[in-house]
Amino acid sequence: QSALTQPPSASGSPGQSVTISCTGTSSDVGGYNYVSWYQQHPDKAPKLMIYEVNKRPSGVPDRFFGSKSGNTASLTVSGLQAEDEADYYCSSYAVSNDFVVFGGGTKLTVL
Amino acid sequence: QITLKESGPTLVKPTQTLTLTCTFSGFSLSTGGVGVGWIRQPPGKALEWLALIYWDDDDRYSPSLKSRLTITKDTSKNQVVLTMTNMDPVDTATYYCAHMPWGYFDLWGRGTLVTVSS
Repeated sequence: QSALTQPPSASGSPGQSVTISCTGTSSDVGGYNYVSWYQQHPDKAPKLMIYEVNKRPSGVPDRFFGSKSGNTASLTVSGLQAEDEADYYCSSYAVSNDFVVFGGGTKLTVL
Repeated sequence: QITLKESGPTLVKPTQTLTLTCTFSGFSLSTGGVGVGWIRQPPGKALEWLALIYWDDDDRYSPSLKSRLTITKDTSKNQVVLTMTNMDPVDTATYYCAHMPWGYFDLWGRGTLVTVSS
C-alpha cells in the first residue's frame, strides 16, 4: 500500500482554473470509483470536497470538479478565489483490500 | 447533525501505549454501512489512514501499522477507541476520527495532538 502521488504545489491567479492530479494504481484509483478529495486550511480538520470521483457534498461550490482517467484522478478548481488557498489531499478506498490510502497533498496557492 | 470529538493524552512516553477515544453524535454505529475511521497527520506532513471499524464490528488496519493498532467500538456509548502500542517520537501527530458512509470520510473531528517524548 503506497501513498497516492500528488504534485507538492499548484498555483493560479484569482479567476483562473487549476487542476491537481492524483496518481495511483489499478488496485486503488484505477480499480474503483471511490476517489475523494479533501481541503485543509492551516490548523483545521480536513473537509470533504469531492467523493466517488465526481460528486460534491452539499455546500461545496460547483467550482470544484472531480474526474478520473485510468489510474489518475484530478481535482479542478475553477474561478479561483482567495479562500481556495489550502492543502488538498486525494484519497482512494480499495474495496478488494479494504483499506484507504491518501495522497501526499498539494499546496494550492492563489497568487 | 453529525459531530465527532477525539480525546486522550496529549503527551506519551516512548514505548507506552496510546489510547484515543472518538465520541460521536448524530449517527449510530449499529446502522448498516456506517463506519468510523482514524487518520493521523504529523506536523507539516500528509494525512495517513490508520484504521476503520464498521457497524458489524468488522475492522481494517493500515498494513504498515497493523501489528500495533487495535480499534474497537462501544455502540451504547457512541464511542470508538483506538489503541496504538509501542509509541515512538515519529508517532507525534494530530489524530483525527471521521465518519465513513462508504469509501470516504464525510465528517471529521477537530483532531487531537499527541506528542511522544520522554
